[in-house]
Amino acid sequence: GAVVSQHPSWVICKSGTSVKIECRSLDFQATTMFWYRQFPKQSLMLMATSNEGSKATYEQGVEKDKFLINHASLTLSTLTVTSAHPEDSSFYICSASGVSSYNEQFFGPGTRLTVL
Amino acid sequence: ELKVEQNPLFLSMQEGKNYTIYCNYSTTSDRLYWYRQDPGKSLESLFVLLSNGAVKQEGRLMASLDTKARLSTLHITAAVHDLSATYFCAVERKSSGDKLTFGTGTRLAVRP
Repeated sequence: GAVVSQHPSWVICKSGTSVKIECRSLDFQATTMFWYRQFPKQSLMLMATSNEGSKATYEQGVEKDKFLINHASLTLSTLTVTSAHPEDSSFYICSASGVSSYNEQFFGPGTRLTVL
Repeated sequence: ELKVEQNPLFLSMQEGKNYTIYCNYSTTSDRLYWYRQDPGKSLESLFVLLSNGAVKQEGRLMASLDTKARLSTLHITAAVHDLSATYFCAVERKSSGDKLTFGTGTRLAVRP
């Protein structure tokens, strides 16, 4: 149980285009979803936290107009990278919580974004 | 601001040897997690430590938590090549909305 999927698993796009990444909780309802970014050989950095039906809360330094997050249902959150640039190339990982008694986060498989 | 540090950052060890990875954090926490990450992959949950003195073991890995010292350890016993990966600890605080703050990561390479 507690499976989280992401789509796509990898994406290559041209500079200036927008890319949407989906995060789904497959067998539970996620009260909260989290989006992380990981650059090569670095740790995970939290970008934002989203709750179903409400606006996402962004971490300091993360541009909310560039990284649009929508948490439309208890099983789906999307991250849209708008006007992507090469410096946005990274590994994006989502997680979801809401199934365990202590709100453990369950991680998706990640999406590798390459912006040319 | 919560800071989580791991050491060492990189560890090359021989098969069969024992070693410990340390995770220090700067403020009180509610829970501590250990994860494994293989190259190009996402995180695999290893342990969740819920209270002071908690000790958990799975195979060749054992994790412990000392909340008074703000320290968690991940001990590797008789390392094998399959344990080669990057290991992260992460600290969770209820006061921050259950957000996780990740450590710097320890890249483990087990050589024959």
